Amino acid sequence: DQQVKQNSPSLSVQEGRISILNCDYTNSMFDYFLWYKKYPAEGPTFLISISSIKDKNEDGRFTVFLNKSAKHLSLHIVPSQPGDSAVYFCAASVLASYDKVIFGPGTSLSVIP
Amino acid sequence: NAGVTQTPKFQVLKTGQSMTLQCAQDMNHNSMYWYRQDPGMGLRLIYYSASEGTTDKGEVPNGYNVSRLNKREFSLRLESAAPSQTSVYFCATIQGSGTEAFFGQGTRLTVV
Repeated sequence: DQQVKQNSPSLSVQEGRISILNCDYTNSMFDYFLWYKKYPAEGPTFLISISSIKDKNEDGRFTVFLNKSAKHLSLHIVPSQPGDSAVYFCAASVLASYDKVIFGPGTSLSVIP
Repeated sequence: NAGVTQTPKFQVLKTGQSMTLQCAQDMNHNSMYWYRQDPGMGLRLIYYSASEGTTDKGEVPNGYNVSRLNKREFSLRLESAAPSQTSVYFCATIQGSGTEAFFGQGTRLTVV
């Protein structure tokens, strides 16, 4: 059973609009969450993270929201740009535990010019 | 500054053959990881090394072995390749718990 779920395998958004990527987790022990972006034929690269003591973290066009009671987080990209087209992985971890990093299956985002 | 370098980038093996995937990092990080990525499955941890001289199993270790040769290098070995090991393999490194991972470009392995 997947502990980190990204229920939308793909998403298409018009350039300039908001992209919202969702992620759900089941393990209440997770206390640190990250988003990675992956282009074809490249390794994932870190995008943004959030600790469980916060409910929002913002970095430029990217904002991550965390709802601990719902075990749900979302990544907002505003405004979306064609260069944002990539696969986005949500990851959840337990701080101080090197192996407890669980990745979701990914959401493929296409930003249409 | 290359970051995390994986070799080879592509490999085709016959069932039963063995091979070693190499990973080297120049970031002076303590922890190194091997993941595999399969469609619809995300990245799954095979083995990790929290520090030089230590290795531990991850979620999907069967059929693999690893060696942490020194602080820079962490290799993944398939002793007898199987078609189920067809995947894209990523090496990653982190500075410490609670920090982001840095990934290599990946090795696309096909076992026929």
